[in-house]
Amino acid sequence: NAGVTQTPKFRVLKTGQSMTLLCAQDMNHEYMYWYRQDPGMGLRLIHYSVGEGTTAKGEVPDGYNVSRLKKQNFLLGLESAAPSQTSVYFCASLRSGSQGEQYFGPGTRLTVT
Amino acid sequence: DAKTTQPNSMESNEEEPVHLPCNHSTISGTDYIHWYRQLPSQGPEYVIHGLTSNVNNRMASLAIAEDRKSSTLILHRATLRDAAVYYCILRDNSGGSNYKLTFGKGTLLTVNP
Repeated sequence: NAGVTQTPKFRVLKTGQSMTLLCAQDMNHEYMYWYRQDPGMGLRLIHYSVGEGTTAKGEVPDGYNVSRLKKQNFLLGLESAAPSQTSVYFCASLRSGSQGEQYFGPGTRLTVT
Repeated sequence: DAKTTQPNSMESNEEEPVHLPCNHSTISGTDYIHWYRQLPSQGPEYVIHGLTSNVNNRMASLAIAEDRKSSTLILHRATLRDAAVYYCILRDNSGGSNYKLTFGKGTLLTVNP
């Protein structure tokens, strides 16, 4: 049981390049979330999904797109990266109806130059 | 979302108890009090949560004021591994919120050997 995994762990992009971050969970959780964390700050919600085929915007969605084609995977895309998107990105998952914990992945450190 | 207020930092000595306070004067009836912590260079991890009664688990205890406007996370014997940023978060459990977490800056706990 790997929990929540994220690919890649590190990435450097040039301004204007695109990339996709992959989040995978093997716990059969319905809910999945993408957060970003800037230095010295708490996490901010980008997008989330309440089930396969559904996504919704969070607090800071601009510049990002997401897809949830399979229940276990949640993809975060940057179509045209900007230096302001330099951050650490965390994915999390949660069982439907759960009063308890979100399980977080180890994070992806992204630098946009 | 109802907000929480935490001290920016706290210090403790190893093997001593630690009391981490959190104020949440605008808490609503459907808000659960959640605590997460983030070890250096890792994703957040769940610590404990509660609604009205005090809660204990293997990691910590949560003491909730009778009026629910404040709470305290208690680490009974701090270890060096407990050095982390601790986040107190109010999570709406009404279902319509989709169980989103709103992170503040948290409390940076330093544990001295």
